[in-house]
Amino acid sequence: QLQLQESGPGLVKPSEALSLTCTVSGASIDRSTYYWGWLRQPPGKGLEWIGTISYRGNTYYNPSRKSRATISVDTSKNQFSLKLSPVTAADTAIYYCARHNYGDHTFDYWGLGTLVTVTS
Amino acid sequence: ELVLTQSPGTLSLSPGERATLSCRASQSVSIYYLAWYQQKPGQAPRLLIYATSSRAAGIPDRFSGSGSGTDFTLTISRLEPEDFAVYYCQQYSSSLWTFGQGTKVEFK
Repeated sequence: QLQLQESGPGLVKPSEALSLTCTVSGASIDRSTYYWGWLRQPPGKGLEWIGTISYRGNTYYNPSRKSRATISVDTSKNQFSLKLSPVTAADTAIYYCARHNYGDHTFDYWGLGTLVTVTS
Repeated sequence: ELVLTQSPGTLSLSPGERATLSCRASQSVSIYYLAWYQQKPGQAPRLLIYATSSRAAGIPDRFSGSGSGTDFTLTISRLEPEDFAVYYCQQYSSSLWTFGQGTKVEFK
């Protein structure tokens, strides 16, 4: 059973960097034909795709976030990560990692999500 | 950028009733790249429908999707208590994945 789990600080100061890691279990990232994505949801609002990485390290970013977001993959740990810098209060959200099925362009497995609050 | 607009914002219905949710795109979307998700409070979204009308694994057949071009619909034939949630449509085009703003299906 595929499972994804986000981890990282729940509080980040404005102008600093937000760093999150997604640990994948039940499947090997580097043997998969799937991609891996990060999405977020501000409190009480809708969903936004941030970016996606393939197991080979090819990246795709939401143009509105591209200049601040960096996604990387560590196949030895079966993890992929998100760095968003610098952050503002508008980056306060629940951050989700998900398996990105590049065949039908859906997000078919999701982590539980982690709330990141940007506050001084 | 392609924008998805969902309507209505809130749908107030009773169990057993039929729910019809709309997703309108600002440009034509491939039927292969339109999906629907369900999200309950405190939970991650769950994939319901992909490629406009194909149900994801384990999704009951009371959920169905249809549409083409710029107009897509999610129908829940008979609402069960566990179906009251927020529903999002999502599309892919030009290396960009975007979501609608959501429709909340609430108890009447």
